[in-house]
Amino acid sequence: DTAVSQTPKYLVTQMGNDKSIKCEQNLGHDTMYWYKQDSKKFLKIMFSYNNKELIINETVPNRFSPKSPDKAHLNLHINSLELGDSAVYFCASSQDVTYNEQFFGPGTRLTVL
Amino acid sequence: SQKIEQNSEALNIQEGKTATLTCNYTNYSPAYLQWYRQDPGRGPVFLLLIRENEKEKRKERLKVTFDTTLKQSLFHITASQPADSATYLCALDLRDDKIIFGKGTRLHILP
Repeated sequence: DTAVSQTPKYLVTQMGNDKSIKCEQNLGHDTMYWYKQDSKKFLKIMFSYNNKELIINETVPNRFSPKSPDKAHLNLHINSLELGDSAVYFCASSQDVTYNEQFFGPGTRLTVL
Repeated sequence: SQKIEQNSEALNIQEGKTATLTCNYTNYSPAYLQWYRQDPGRGPVFLLLIRENEKEKRKERLKVTFDTTLKQSLFHITASQPADSATYLCALDLRDDKIIFGKGTRLHILP
C-alpha cells in the first residue's frame, strides 16, 4: 500500500518542452508539498497546499504551476523547461500544517537535455 | 543570515560504535527539529521529532538532543550497523509552517 506515489519516476525531455508530474497520497493528510533536490542533494521546498489551498510559494519561477484538484492530489506542471530544472522532485504530505512530519514520495528524476 | 549546517558531509564509523551527527543553525527559532534518513534513489523517511521544550528523545537505537541555547541538535545511533549507512537530514520546523532542510551527512558504517 503506497502512501505517497508519484508518476513518472523518470522524465527525460528537451529544453523548451512542457511537462507534468503527478502526486497522490492515500494517508488522508490535509497538507501536501513539492520539493526540489538538486545535484548537491540540497532539498528545498517549492510549494505547499493545505486542503487544496496554496499556503507556501517559495520564490519559484512562474513556469512552475502546482495544481491540487483535491486534497489527495498535488500535481506540478512545468512550462518551457530549462537545463537548470534538472533535479529530483519530491512530493510529500503531512497530517496538517501544524504537525510537519513529512511523508515523502519516491521522487521524479527530471533530466532536461 | 539564516543558516542550517550539518557539520560533516560524510562520516565513517566502525560497526558497533556510536555514530554522532551534528546539526547547527543560526538566526532561526524553530518550534521543532526533525531528523530524516535518505537512501540513494529514494525519498527521505522521517525518524524523530523533538520539540523546543524537550532536551532529549529516544527511539530504539536512536537518540536526539536539542539545545536551543547552543542552537544545536545531536543525532546518535548506538550499536551502529552497516544497514544504518545512509544520508541523514536534519530539518527545522519553523513557526510559519515552513520546514528547512540541512544538506545532510552521509554516514558509512564500516563492517
